[in-house]
Formats: sequence, C-alpha cells, structure tokens
Amino acid sequence: ETGVTQSPTHLIKTRGQQVTLRCSSQSGHNTVSWYQQALGQGPQFIFQYYREEENGRGNFPPRFSGLQFPNYSSELNVNALELDDSALYLCASSAVAGEFYNEQFFGPGTRLTVL
Amino acid sequence: AQSVAQPEDQVNVAEGNPLTVKCTYSVSGNPYLFWYVQYPNRGLQFLLKYITGDNLVKGSYGFEAEFNKSQTSFHLKKPSALVSDSALYFCAVVSGGYNKLIFGAGTRLAVHP
Repeated sequence: ETGVTQSPTHLIKTRGQQVTLRCSSQSGHNTVSWYQQALGQGPQFIFQYYREEENGRGNFPPRFSGLQFPNYSSELNVNALELDDSALYLCASSAVAGEFYNEQFFGPGTRLTVL
Repeated sequence: AQSVAQPEDQVNVAEGNPLTVKCTYSVSGNPYLFWYVQYPNRGLQFLLKYITGDNLVKGSYGFEAEFNKSQTSFHLKKPSALVSDSALYFCAVVSGGYNKLIFGAGTRLAVHP
C-alpha cells in the first residue's frame, strides 16, 4: 500500500510569485485535505476536497486554491505569495467523506520559504 | 467553536518512566478526538482516536489515551517511555460536518536515557 506523497520537498519563492504544490493520496482514499503548519505551531486547516469538489474551507484567503483530480491526486495553488506564507504544507488523505471520524494519513509535507 | 488546548510546551521524562501528555478540548456535541505524532522533517503519524465507547483507547507504539468527559480531557499516556518516543505530539478534534481537524499547538516530548 502506497502512502501519501508530496512534491516538491522544499521550495523557495519570492514575494508576489505563485506556487503549486502536489499531493498523491493513499490508495483507496477519495478525500484530501491541506493544512498549513507555521514554525512552532499546530497545523491549520486550509481546505478539503471530495470527489473533485471543495468540501470545506478554513480561514484562508481566496488566493489559496486547490484541485483534486479523478485519480484523487491533488494540488494546492497559492497566488501572490506573502512572507507569512512560509510554512510546512501538509496533505492528508482519508477514506469516504461524511464518515468524519476516519483518521487522516499525512504526507511528509512541502517546506515553502518565501523571501 | 471547537478548540483543543495542550497546556505544556514540553514534557521531560526519563526512559522507562510513565509519560503523560495533556490535552483538553472544547466542542459542541460529541467529541471526536485524535492524537498524532510528528518526527523531525516528517509528516504527522496517526496514533489513536476516540469516537465512542470505552474511555481508555489503545493505539500504536504502546500509547493509550484516556477520555474524560467531565474534565473535557483526552490525555495521552504510555506506561514506559522510550528514547525513540521523543517527538512532537498533537491532539486534535474533528470540527464541522466533514473531516476537518482542529489541532492543538503541540507538546514536545523529550525522553532522556
């Protein structure tokens, strides 16, 4: 069974640029969530996708957007990068939206640095 | 609003001694509670969850957690700590009508030989 994978591992961008982060869900999982973990803090929920539709969103501005593909892989796009966007971005997959007590399986994350 | 508090930034324990990492929660409705562990440069790994049933939940790597409704707590425990248990531990609660996790700030566990 393949776990959750994310790419790239590290990324350095400058303020104002755009970035795309990628995630491949664990086999059999149809729900993907994205979290932002700033240094020294717990992960913060960005949004969740289920069957290619956004299923819920946290307190993040519209310049954070996402996609989920038919094979359940996913992208997180961030436009107009700001310094405060520097963080570890975590992707997590789970089986069956609606069963809200299913554990989520996390990828290793993408470390984004905005200069 | 749902929230989780981890009152200790760091917990220090000697190898072989029991450990406890504290978590309290605030939710409307039934709580669905999780513990995750994060090792350096790694993503979060699921340890255990409480949905319903027995208040003592057993999880991975010998960890267990005790759900206490009256104290709104969900403390993580292990009878005998290992140096390899040293990591960052997060308590989380499910929020909303979908699988959104609200995390605490984390507690760093340091197990000394």
